[in-house]
Amino acid sequence: DQQVKQNSPSLSVQEGRISILNCDYTNSMFDYFLWYKKYPAEGPTFLISISSIKDKNEDGRFTVFLNKSAKHLSLHIVPSQPGDSAVYFCAATTNYGGSQGNLIFGKGTKLSVKP
Amino acid sequence: DAMVIQNPRYQVTQFGKPVTLSCSQTLNHNVMYWYQQKSSQAPKLLFHYYDKDFNNEADTPDNFQSRRPNTSFCFLDIRSPGLGDAAMYLCATSNWQETQYFGPGTRLLVL
Repeated sequence: DQQVKQNSPSLSVQEGRISILNCDYTNSMFDYFLWYKKYPAEGPTFLISISSIKDKNEDGRFTVFLNKSAKHLSLHIVPSQPGDSAVYFCAATTNYGGSQGNLIFGKGTKLSVKP
Repeated sequence: DAMVIQNPRYQVTQFGKPVTLSCSQTLNHNVMYWYQQKSSQAPKLLFHYYDKDFNNEADTPDNFQSRRPNTSFCFLDIRSPGLGDAAMYLCATSNWQETQYFGPGTRLLVL
């Protein structure tokens, strides 16, 4: 049973517009959430994270929103650029990084940004 | 400036023939992880080492073993690969409770 769900396998967006990638989770014990970005033939790279005590975290063009009551988080990329085309993984954990918890990943959403 | 290195990038093995995948890091992180990612699936943690302390996930098959001879290196041993073990194997490292850095992965093909 998937604890982290990314229901959209793919998303296509025009350059300059907003990309919104969604993620849902089922485990209410998760207290830290991360987004990783993966280019072909490379490993996932950390993009942005958010603690459950916050509802928003921003880093440049990337913003993550967390709605704990809905068990939902989203990644906004504004403005989208062709170089953002990649697979984006949502991940969640309890007690981040420790042996008490590990990263539970979603299946990923492939973002294509068209020039 | 490679930080997490995985060798080989592609590995072909025969059904039932033991295979070892390698991971090394230049970050001096104390935690090393092995993930399995099958096609169109989420990466799934197999086990991790915190220093020399081995932590196996409950649902990791016994067919998978790991060794960490020193801080820099960690190996994934598959004792008797089956067709279902064909996947991308990702190594990651971190310091305790910090961001995980992933290697490029080794794609394993079982014939």
